[in-house]
Amino acid sequence: GAVVSQHPSWVICKSGTSVKIECRSLDFQATTMFWYRQFPKQSLMLMATSNEGSKATYEQGVEKDKFLINHASLTLSTLTVTSAHPEDSSFYICSATRREAEAFFGQGTRLTVV
Amino acid sequence: KQEVTQIPAALSVPEGENLVLNCSFTDSAIYNLQWFRQDPGKGLTSLLLIQSSQREQTSGRLNASLDKSSGRSTLYIAASQPGDSATYLCAGVNDYKLSFGAGTTVTVRA
Repeated sequence: GAVVSQHPSWVICKSGTSVKIECRSLDFQATTMFWYRQFPKQSLMLMATSNEGSKATYEQGVEKDKFLINHASLTLSTLTVTSAHPEDSSFYICSATRREAEAFFGQGTRLTVV
Repeated sequence: KQEVTQIPAALSVPEGENLVLNCSFTDSAIYNLQWFRQDPGKGLTSLLLIQSSQREQTSGRLNASLDKSSGRSTLYIAASQPGDSATYLCAGVNDYKLSFGAGTTVTVRA
């Protein structure tokens, strides 16, 4: 299957700092990528749709100023958690959709804000 | 808005038994339905994708069916193995967006 690479796999940061997470599609061009958040023992919640060359589309209730998304190329989308606080601690996962709308996911990033 | 429900939430079976995982969705106009596996602390691995024009897909010991009229999909895993222990998620795809169920956590006992 297609490969989507996410980096870093885990990060610990101090409260008030910013953290950048990268998502790359390694073997296909992805004009659209998606960012999800997952709380323990819960399912994935879509945060935003990342569109190459244009602004991201955020789901209701997601703060666009806190979760900055940049999709600068057809293979790379980044999520920056700005001024992180402990409540932002979570598991963040990206996905890219190939033809036939098959979605492939990155390995996820465990963010812990202390 | 697409809502996806998975039953049961957890399942424990002895090795060798067949597994049946259920998924139901509210919007029958889904484009695709996709099944994933998630191991603890890891991302999602795509298992099977069923396009809206299809009724089932098979890969090895896995078989998934799709009935759009009743809003249901079922994942069958034959002859379960301890390595099949994981959480299985189904997702309905509408406009390239995935709506996930809460998952079924499977434990296969050796």
